[in-house]
Amino acid sequence: DVVMTQSPLSLPVTLGQPASISCRSSQSLVFSNGNTFLNWFQQRPGQSPRRLIYKVSNRDSGVPDRFSGSGSGTDFTLKISRVEAEDVGVYYCMQGTHWPLTFGGGTKLEIK
Amino acid sequence: EVQLLESGGGLVQPGGSLRLSCATSGFMFSGPAMTWVRQAPGKGLEWVSSISGDGVTTYYADSVKGRFTTSRDNSKNTLYLQMNSLRAEDTALYHCVIGSSGAAGEGHWGQGTLVTVSS
Repeated sequence: DVVMTQSPLSLPVTLGQPASISCRSSQSLVFSNGNTFLNWFQQRPGQSPRRLIYKVSNRDSGVPDRFSGSGSGTDFTLKISRVEAEDVGVYYCMQGTHWPLTFGGGTKLEIK
Repeated sequence: EVQLLESGGGLVQPGGSLRLSCATSGFMFSGPAMTWVRQAPGKGLEWVSSISGDGVTTYYADSVKGRFTTSRDNSKNTLYLQMNSLRAEDTALYHCVIGSSGAAGEGHWGQGTLVTVSS
């Protein structure tokens, strides 16, 4: 199984400052057709997860442009350019290239 | 507006069975794959199962293989998860999700239905 390793586990950030979350996979996430199925999800307290990013860097509809995804192969990053109070929650990466699908352990973003 | 509404959760004894449903609207249900993801209390996300758009192909996590069965009724826009031989470690909030690998237009989650396995 592909192991997804996120860091840090906890991310205290000052409002208005940038934040960055790393996600590493135990094997390449490049699919045979050239696509890389790496997704990012946000789970606010008490809410269901919401997808933010698909295929490494594509923002879902309604996702603020302060969120961006980057990376390739086995190394991926979610960046928030300026953290707002509504960004508090847990962020998960998930790979959709290999079965079984696997999630990272999550990164808890909190306001400092 | 895309809507996913899970139901069928509840309290069940170890070894028991439950059938979860996910009623959907707002998109062409027969198109995308569908997925079940669970979250144990206070824990992270765990993929459970996915099914292709035509219902022919299914995938399962090793932890549920042989005990859970995913199906769909495209005429009713509904996804199902038949859960047998339930164990305490199956206790979780079960969400249905549009898609599997992650493509444009997918990634919507339902609110979930809680399954508690306890004697």
